[in-house]
Amino acid sequence: DIVLTQSPGTLSLSPGERATLSCRASQSVSSSYLAWYQQKPGQAPRLLIYDTSSRATGIPDRFSGSGSGTDFTLTISRLEPEDFAVYYCQQYNNSPITFGQGTRLEIK
Amino acid sequence: QVQLVESGGGVVQPEGSLRLSCAASGFTFSSYGMHWVRQAPGKGLEWVAFIRYDGSKKDYADSVKGRFTISRDNSKNTLYMQMNSLRAEDTAMYYCAKDADDFGDYYLFDYWGPGTLVTVSS
Repeated sequence: DIVLTQSPGTLSLSPGERATLSCRASQSVSSSYLAWYQQKPGQAPRLLIYDTSSRATGIPDRFSGSGSGTDFTLTISRLEPEDFAVYYCQQYNNSPITFGQGTRLEIK
Repeated sequence: QVQLVESGGGVVQPEGSLRLSCAASGFTFSSYGMHWVRQAPGKGLEWVAFIRYDGSKKDYADSVKGRFTISRDNSKNTLYMQMNSLRAEDTAMYYCAKDADDFGDYYLFDYWGPGTLVTVSS
């Protein structure tokens, strides 16, 4: 199974700052089949980014994804109050598909 | 707009059974694969099961293989999961999720329901 390790576990930032979240895979994720989800308390996850860098429908352009092979990044260019949440990466190239353990983005 | 609404969760004793349902609307249900994904309290996400748009392929996580059965009724736009031999470690919020690719097996989840909570406890 591909293990996804997200870092940091918790990121404390202020609105307006830039957030950089990392997702490292235990083996190469071919075809860049890497996605990012946002989850707020008491809500279901929401798809943000798929295929490493494509934004899902309705996702603002302050969210961007990059990376290849085993190292992937989610960047939020300028944090809005509604962006503070937990973020998960997911690989969907190899069965079984797996998720990272999550990064909690909290208000500093 | 796409809507997914799960039901059927509750409290069940170890070794008991439960059947979850997910009512879908706002898209052509019979054209998309569907998944169940779960989240234990305070924990991360775990993919559980997949069924192809026409039911011809089913796929399970090792942790539930042989105990859970995914199925669908395209005439009713409804996804199901029969859960048998439940264990304490199956306690979680169970989400149904739509596959992003029509007629494909993408294993990317573009819409999620709000979830239904399953608690396995004596």
